[in-house]
Amino acid sequence: NAGVTQTPKFQVLKTGQSMTLQCAQDMNHEYMSWYRQDPGMGLRLIHYSVGAGITDQGEVPNGYNVSRSTTEDFPLRLLSAAPSQTSVYFCASSYSTQGMNTEAFFGQGTRLTVV
Amino acid sequence: KQEVTQIPAALSVPEGENLVLNCSFTDSAIYNLQWFRQDPGKGLTSLLLIQSSQREQTSGRLNASLDKSSGRSTLYIAASQPGDSATYLCFPFDFGNEKLTFGTGTRLTIIP
Repeated sequence: NAGVTQTPKFQVLKTGQSMTLQCAQDMNHEYMSWYRQDPGMGLRLIHYSVGAGITDQGEVPNGYNVSRSTTEDFPLRLLSAAPSQTSVYFCASSYSTQGMNTEAFFGQGTRLTVV
Repeated sequence: KQEVTQIPAALSVPEGENLVLNCSFTDSAIYNLQWFRQDPGKGLTSLLLIQSSQREQTSGRLNASLDKSSGRSTLYIAASQPGDSATYLCFPFDFGNEKLTFGTGTRLTIIP
């Protein structure tokens, strides 16, 4: 059971470039989310999805796009990378956010540097 | 909006001591609460999940308790070891909230 898989693990981008961070889970979880982690700022929610075709903004959504065409995948797109987006990105999934089956599973993270 | 606070922000203790990490949350209507550890430069490792029907959960030297009425959870670490050095994060799942929020974390250092 692979759990939550993020690719790539490391990435260096030039300012203005675009890229997609991939996240996939094989647990049939409805809820998926993206966080960024910066020194001294903790983990902050970027976007989340409660099911295929449904996405919404978190605390820090600017500069990022998401879509959820399947239950398994939740890619995070940077359309025009900026140095302020240098961070470590974590993808998470859960069966639900409500009820007794709530438990979060995290990917290993993507370390992104924008130069 | 749920606000999660962890005190202290940093803690250093000698090896072998027992210690308690605290997590407070403003909205006490929660389902479950999860504790994670994060080693420097690494991902998040789930330690314990406490369901709202439980008051505590144990795994080895770790014991987590949950008091929903007061909006608090504690993580007790017995006989601390240098390998316990990490940042510890709490993560509540609250009613009607899909924007799940992490605690600020406690950075623990165990001194050999």
